[in-house]
Amino acid sequence: GAGVSQSPSNKVTEKGKDVELRCDPISGHTALYWYRQSLGQGLEFLIYFQGNSAPDKSGLPSDRFSAERTGGSVSTLTIQRTQQEDSAVYLCASSRLPGGPYEQYFGPGTRLTVT
Amino acid sequence: QQPVQSPQAVILREGEDAVINCSSSKALYSVHWYRQKHGEAPVFLMILLKGGEQMRHEKISASFNEKKQQSSLYLTASQLSYSGTYFCGTSFGNEKLTFGTGTRLTIIP
Repeated sequence: GAGVSQSPSNKVTEKGKDVELRCDPISGHTALYWYRQSLGQGLEFLIYFQGNSAPDKSGLPSDRFSAERTGGSVSTLTIQRTQQEDSAVYLCASSRLPGGPYEQYFGPGTRLTVT
Repeated sequence: QQPVQSPQAVILREGEDAVINCSSSKALYSVHWYRQKHGEAPVFLMILLKGGEQMRHEKISASFNEKKQQSSLYLTASQLSYSGTYFCGTSFGNEKLTFGTGTRLTIIP
């Protein structure tokens, strides 16, 4: 079956512009995660959607970042008034059920460059 | 609380063995191991659960020492395909993972 897909694969934007990144999880997966990976760095947790529960937004670095998940499927991560330090690869992952015991399947990521 | 991985980087000749450690300051419920090749997404290797058994993926195995709050990844008779960055992700219950900073593994012929 299809894996996690993300679009666009690359995004170059000017400082101060807003961007939207999209994630299509594996069909039937109830949990969806967003991570940020700066060059050569680890995976920084951003936000976690678990079924119909309120999302865990504890990793969002500022109020310029927001995310939503519509209909329990597709998710959009929005970054407003982008800054150069927002440049990174944004990875989305989904898992069959929420929580630690379940493996996460990662999408290919969106490489965001803020000029 | 981010787990600490060691070493940060290791270089092996093909066929050599390596151990990568992942330590937590809190009691762990589960540990995930992922491998990420350059320019690609992380790929799941295995999960270890509290009270569970040692796991294996091909010639890679892992253990979970609850007392030490640590997991170790063992790479035996390393192959060129093992090159990449290995991340552990930890959870303290039925919740999100927190990933370590990664261990970069380079295998040379």
